[in-house]
Amino acid sequence: DIQMTQSPSSVSASVGDRVTITCRASQGIGTWLAWYQQKPGKAPKFLIYSASSLHTGVESRFSGSGSGTDFTLIISSLQPEDFATYYCQQTNTLPPTFGGGTTVDMK
Amino acid sequence: EVQLVESGGGLVKPGRSLRLSCITSGFSFGDYGMNWFRQAPGKGLEWVGFSRSKAYGGATEYAASVKGRFIISRDESKKIAYLEMNSLKSEDTAVYYCSREMAVLGYVYGLDVWGQGTTVIVSS
Repeated sequence: DIQMTQSPSSVSASVGDRVTITCRASQGIGTWLAWYQQKPGKAPKFLIYSASSLHTGVESRFSGSGSGTDFTLIISSLQPEDFATYYCQQTNTLPPTFGGGTTVDMK
Repeated sequence: EVQLVESGGGLVKPGRSLRLSCITSGFSFGDYGMNWFRQAPGKGLEWVGFSRSKAYGGATEYAASVKGRFIISRDESKKIAYLEMNSLKSEDTAVYYCSREMAVLGYVYGLDVWGQGTTVIVSS
């Protein structure tokens, strides 16, 4: 199975901060990478696919980049509703696997 | 509005069975692959399995941890996806989510719609 490693596991930030989350795959996955946001007690929300394409309706302050094994999710200016846990997922190879998650909490 | 609503969760003893349902609405069910994921308490997301769209014959695949115990099926006329869970273990305790694939020509880009989840607790 492809292992997905996210860092950091948690980050404390303030509204307006730029937040960067990285995701590394144990082998190359091209751009078959998605990002999700999950709030406590809620289902994941689809943010980004193909490493950098914003899903419909997702705010433009979210952006993704990368290919191969190294990927990044950036929140350009953190908003109150962005405090949540973020997961990367590879869809290149079965089984689809997730990173361990990065929790963005309030500083 | 596109919606997925899971049901069927509950408390079940080890070794017993449970069937979850994912009732869908607002889209052409047969055109989409449907996946099941789970999230153990305080843990991350784990893929359980999928059923491909009608175009791909509804083919199924499963995670190694559930293969041989869980069965995914779909009723195209009712627009419902099912997850039948047999020989349940304590480690199957989790919130179970169904989700819809965003795919083109069989290539999956992600899961764009999720249900609210249903909780399964396996305990004696």
